[in-house]
Amino acid sequence: GEDVEQSLFLSVREGDSSVINCTYTDSSSTYLYWYKQEPGAGLQLLTYIFSNMDMKQDQRLTVLLNKKDKHLSLRIADTQTGDSAIYFCALETDKLIFGTGTRLQVFP
Amino acid sequence: DAGVIQSPRHEVTEMGQEVTLRCKPISGHNSLFWYRQTMMRGLELLIYFNNNVPIDDSGMPEDRFSAKMPNASFSTLKIQPSEPRDSAVYFCASSLSPGGGDTQYFGPGTRLTVL
Repeated sequence: GEDVEQSLFLSVREGDSSVINCTYTDSSSTYLYWYKQEPGAGLQLLTYIFSNMDMKQDQRLTVLLNKKDKHLSLRIADTQTGDSAIYFCALETDKLIFGTGTRLQVFP
Repeated sequence: DAGVIQSPRHEVTEMGQEVTLRCKPISGHNSLFWYRQTMMRGLELLIYFNNNVPIDDSGMPEDRFSAKMPNASFSTLKIQPSEPRDSAVYFCASSLSPGGGDTQYFGPGTRLTVL
């Protein structure tokens, strides 16, 4: 089955950029997603990219897709303390397959 | 819209008891998903429904788990009998359709503790 991997932790200083990475094995997904989970809450969709795109920008968020390397990344510019959360990438086959999640900690 | 509603938010029960988790999807959404989240296994899809019909239940751990969707506005996930390893946060999510880029909206989750 599909294998979606993320690094477990990322720690950045407030105001710096954060880059969260995701690698996957199945390249048949039409859409690739980034979700955010704040403590004690469910997942919230941040953004998604269509598989025929290489990049998508949405305010402070930039998604990069490298289909050749099966690599997806989320860049958060000017990271704020409110960005501290767990970030999940997800791939769509006939259903969503979620990555393992990356816990982003932002310190002042 | 109130979003996806789940109840209860927290459930503590003893091993062997029956547990029923409830979900009300967003009105007008045709697809409903049940997920389980644990530290060890991450986020797992248990089952999803499209137009109240179970489409894929391959993620349901075993016969102790069952899910129903009697109508478009209500679904239950039942565990009988419950075991300590079932302790997790259970999320319900809904979307307009199962795929095609439609966003899944998650509920706040039910934190289940089985003693």
